[in-house]
Amino acid sequence: DTEVTQTPKHLVMGMTNKKSLKCEQHMGHRAMYWYKQKAKKPPELMFVYSYEKLSINESVPSRFSPECPNSSLLNLHLHALQPEDSALYLCASSHQGQGGFDNQPQHFGDGTRLSIL
Amino acid sequence: AQKITQTQPGMFVQEKEAVTLDCTYDTSDPSYGLFWYKQPSSGEMIFLIYQGSYDQQNATEGRYSLNFQKARKSANLVISASQLGDSAMYFCAMRELQTGANNLFFGTGTRLTVIP
Repeated sequence: DTEVTQTPKHLVMGMTNKKSLKCEQHMGHRAMYWYKQKAKKPPELMFVYSYEKLSINESVPSRFSPECPNSSLLNLHLHALQPEDSALYLCASSHQGQGGFDNQPQHFGDGTRLSIL
Repeated sequence: AQKITQTQPGMFVQEKEAVTLDCTYDTSDPSYGLFWYKQPSSGEMIFLIYQGSYDQQNATEGRYSLNFQKARKSANLVISASQLGDSAMYFCAMRELQTGANNLFFGTGTRLTVIP
């Protein structure tokens, strides 16, 4: 079991649906991340939240909308997705990279396998 | 330019033997951290080992060790006494510390298959 919990594990949705992916951690981490991973490829960074504020948006289409309601939770709201958005979506968290935390790894959840019909 | 290069798309190793997975990196940041992650077919990314740019000694964690050659900008992962459960995708990643950003740059990965 990982210390970062993602729900749901699998999601199938149509292109007109609205759904949300959820991520939770209780390790006191103040940096949280969303990654997209296609088959046989490395994870691609989508968003970074630092102290609950969006610090990095890697030019992600607006049909993906992140939200960080508090320091333990990270959501990814999905709307009007395309078939090419089918992928594994990984959430991660870490200590903020400063003040002695530079060697701290990102801890990943098990991911949500998303399929767009 | 690629920040992390993993030149071995796939590797095979006999059970109980050692294997080295290659990783080279490119950065002008004097402070950086190098990470190795394992990703089984189930999908989770498992942190294995860390090496800091100023660390004098090679990192070790159980059966995992890192062959860090700073001048060559390489950080190869050595897995000793391979087990069937080591079959997975392995990613090398780097974080540049001077920028203050937390994001990791991942390599393309190496798929390791352990043969009984």
